Amino acid sequence: ETGVTQSPTHLIKTRGQQVTLRCSSQSGHNTVSWYQQALGQGPQFIFQYYREEENGRGNFPPRFSGLQFPNYSSELNVNALELDDSALYLCASSGGTEYNSPLHFGNGTRLTVT
Amino acid sequence: ILNVEQSPQSLHVQEGDSTNFTCSFPSSNFYALHWYRWETAKSPEALFVMTLNGDEKKKGRISATLNTKEGYSYLYIKGSQPEDSATYLCAFKYNFNKFYFGSGTKLNVKP
Repeated sequence: ETGVTQSPTHLIKTRGQQVTLRCSSQSGHNTVSWYQQALGQGPQFIFQYYREEENGRGNFPPRFSGLQFPNYSSELNVNALELDDSALYLCASSGGTEYNSPLHFGNGTRLTVT
Repeated sequence: ILNVEQSPQSLHVQEGDSTNFTCSFPSSNFYALHWYRWETAKSPEALFVMTLNGDEKKKGRISATLNTKEGYSYLYIKGSQPEDSATYLCAFKYNFNKFYFGSGTKLNVKP
């Protein structure tokens, strides 16, 4: 089975710019969630998509937005980048919102904002 | 914002030692508790998904327990090996649609 893949692996952007990160979910998974991991912290939940609809959101401003496509791949868009947005962004897919579905993570995208 | 705390922050043990970590989480609106192992240069890998109070799960030398009433989970590693060196993350699933991760426990096992 194909695992979760994220692109790009690294990205450097300037403050104020916009960025799009991409994630292909594992085969058969219909739920995708995104996380931001800043240095020294655990992953922070950004949002979750289930069957193309956002159905859960963490404490992130509206300039963090997303999409999920019919093939369940997903995008994370961040507008008006700030220096504090520099972090590792992880995508995870799961077989659904059932209580016992583990998350399957990609390797992440390292975003640097200068 | 819900608080999920893991302790200790880091741990250095000798090969063969047994060790354990703690994950504390809110006792309300509990949905599930996940444990993940994150090795350097790899992606986090699921160890356990625990849902019921009193759950005990085991995978080889690694086991975990869950107490939802008091809001904690323990992860145990018996006879640590150098390949167990990794960061161990717990994640509290709030309702069905939100995850809150701890900051992790970084384990270093010396040969």
